[in-house]
Amino acid sequence: EPEVTQTPSHQVTQMGQEVILRCVPISNHLYFYWYRQILGQKVEFLVSFYNNEISEKSEIFDDQFSVERPDGSNFTLKIRSTKLEDSAMYFCATRSGAYEQYFGPGTRLTVT
Amino acid sequence: RKEVEQDPGPFNVPEGATVAFNCTYSNSASQSFFWYRQDCRKEPKLLMSVYSSGNEDGRFTAQLNRASQYISLLIRDSKLSDSATYLCVVLGGPGNTPLVFGKGTRLSVIA
Repeated sequence: EPEVTQTPSHQVTQMGQEVILRCVPISNHLYFYWYRQILGQKVEFLVSFYNNEISEKSEIFDDQFSVERPDGSNFTLKIRSTKLEDSAMYFCATRSGAYEQYFGPGTRLTVT
Repeated sequence: RKEVEQDPGPFNVPEGATVAFNCTYSNSASQSFFWYRQDCRKEPKLLMSVYSSGNEDGRFTAQLNRASQYISLLIRDSKLSDSATYLCVVLGGPGNTPLVFGKGTRLSVIA
C-alpha cells in the first residue's frame, strides 16, 4: 500500500537555526498539506499546496515558514529561524481528488 | 471560530464492550467528515469517512446528523488493539480546504 514518507524522523536544532522537513507524497496525489501537533494538543493546519502554489495558510504559517516542491517529488517545509515554540510533531498529508487525506509518520522537531 | 469538540475521555472499557464517541462541529458549511485514530506519538490514520446515511465497517459504525452538527462513532466488541485516541475530523468547505481536528477521545481497552 502506498505511503507518505517523511524525513528526518527526529530533528534537534538550536533556536534561530533553519530547518527543512521533507515529505514524499503518494505518487498520484496532487494536494499536499503540512500540519503540526504540539505535545498533548490537537493537530493544527499550517498550509495547503496545489499546482505548485499555496492554496491556503493558517495564522501559524508566518513569514518564517515556506513550502516548496523543488523536484516534482519532494514537498518541503522550511522554518527559517526556529523558536522554542516551534517544537512539535510536523505531519505531511496528501490526497488525490477524493477528500480523504493520508498522513506521513511525522518529524519530531525539538528546538533547544 | 470553526471548532470540533469531543469528550476527551479517557474511556476505560473491558474487552468485548461496546463504546460510543460523540463529536460536535460548529461550521455548518462543513462538507466532509472523518474519524481518524492516533496511537501515542504516531500519525493520525484514517479509520473511516462518515456519510449522511451512516456507514459501517466491520465493528465500527459512524453516523452523521447534519441538522444537529453531530457525529458519532460506535465500536462493538472492543479489542485490546482498539486502544488509541480517536480524532473527529471535519473538512471545512469545498476545494482545497484543510481538515479541522478535534482534540480526540482516548480509549483504553482492558483485558
